Amino acid sequence: DAGITQSPRHKVTETGTPVTLRCHQTENHRYMYWYRQDPGHGLRLIHYSYGVKDTDKGEVSDGYSVSRSKTEDFLLTLESATSSQTSVYFCAISESSGRASLNEQFFGPGTRLTVL
Amino acid sequence: GQNIDQPTEMTATEGAIVQINCTYQTSGFNGLFWYQQHAGEAPTFLSYNVLDGLEEKGRFSSFLSRSKGYSYLLLKELQMKDSASYLCAALNTGGFKTIFGAGTRLFVKA
Repeated sequence: DAGITQSPRHKVTETGTPVTLRCHQTENHRYMYWYRQDPGHGLRLIHYSYGVKDTDKGEVSDGYSVSRSKTEDFLLTLESATSSQTSVYFCAISESSGRASLNEQFFGPGTRLTVL
Repeated sequence: GQNIDQPTEMTATEGAIVQINCTYQTSGFNGLFWYQQHAGEAPTFLSYNVLDGLEEKGRFSSFLSRSKGYSYLLLKELQMKDSASYLCAALNTGGFKTIFGAGTRLFVKA
C-alpha cells in the first residue's frame, strides 16, 4: 500500500473558524491532490500540486487554499469554514502524469469534517 | 461540458456476473479508470483503459470505446466482498485532472 496519511481523521468545528487538513506521503510522488466527496456528487477536485510550491485550482476551489513546501506534505486550509464545507476530504498521490503513463492515484484514508 | 454518468445502484447475486456501465463527456480524454470504494474507506484502483478494447484482470474486466464515450466494468463470480461502490473516472488531456462519476453502489446478495 502507498504510504499516505491524513490528519486529523475526524474534526468538528464551528462556522467561521479556520481549519487545516494535512496530507503526508512517504512515496516521494510528485503529484498530490485534494478531493471532497459528497453523496450524489462523487469525488470533486479542490486543488492539486505538481511539485513543491506548484499548485493549481480544481473544479471546487472557492473557500479553500493549499500549500506544499515539501514533497511529502500537502496542506488544505479552509480560511473560514462554512456548513457547506461539511464533507469527507480525501488526499491522493500519483507518481506521474502524462499520456503514456498510468497516472493511477493512491488515496489516503480520508478526513471527515463537520462544520456546525 | 464535462460529465460522467453511471447507474446509482445495482443488485446482483453471489456467483453471478454483473456489468456496470459508464458514459463520459470530457473536454479532453487521456484514459478511463475504475476504482472500488467500500463504505467508509478510500477508493482503490481497479483498472485503466486508454485504448479501445477489453482489459482483463482476474475476475474483473474493463472495456472502453473512445468513439462512443463508453466504458463498462465486468465483475465475474461475484462474492459478498464485492459489495461496494464502483467509481468511473476520466483522465483529462494533460493528465492532471481526473473527473469522477458519482459511483455505482453494488449490492451482492446470497
